[in-house]
Amino acid sequence: AQSVTQLDSQVPVFEEAPVELRCNYSSSVSVYLFWYVQYPNQGLQLLLKYLSGSTLVESINGFEAEFNKSQTSFHLRKPSVHISDTAEYFCAVSGGGSYIPTFGRGTSLIVHP
Amino acid sequence: DTEVTQTPKHLVMGMTNKKSLKCEQHMGHRAMYWYKQKAKKPPELMFVYSYEKLSINESVPSRFSPECPNSSLLNLHLHALQPEDSALYLCASSRTQGAGQDTQYFGPGTRLTVL
Repeated sequence: AQSVTQLDSQVPVFEEAPVELRCNYSSSVSVYLFWYVQYPNQGLQLLLKYLSGSTLVESINGFEAEFNKSQTSFHLRKPSVHISDTAEYFCAVSGGGSYIPTFGRGTSLIVHP
Repeated sequence: DTEVTQTPKHLVMGMTNKKSLKCEQHMGHRAMYWYKQKAKKPPELMFVYSYEKLSINESVPSRFSPECPNSSLLNLHLHALQPEDSALYLCASSRTQGAGQDTQYFGPGTRLTVL
């Protein structure tokens, strides 16, 4: 079985500051890792994903995440956040015979002006 | 077109009512999902359809009845719901119910309130 731990339920930051949202997973086999974002009153949207290859993956809006197998982590980072980044962020893991992603509890990113 | 649409956006129903939620995608995806999401919580998987056949039912009460009339449509029929069933109901689709690497595309959800 696999699981996902998002250590922070809420992360408040000021606009233009850097941010890191933490995600750790546990799995005994190879996994696929995802970050989804949910803006208020909307569904989830894929932000980025790691399937294989380069351990650093980037999204089109400035977020990046690094797959670290030794630390079983897939932390999400952005060097400078905007008010519009305020949303709920979910880390998810799948693979190893589990076709359906397992979601973490979510981290609420709150960007203050 | 990478859109999953859901209707209605909002639904208020009494405990004796019968209603249906609808979901549609035109991406040629062969796996479709229903999730239930409570406020500030992750989505909880309810049902998975693969090639129009029910492949996963996560022990959901029978007052929720899914239906997949064709590869583009997914319905969720509701009957005799309880107030604790109030939640955001999300539909999602993916290319296949494959080895887990396929991205899930989510609809905007239906906000359900049971009185």
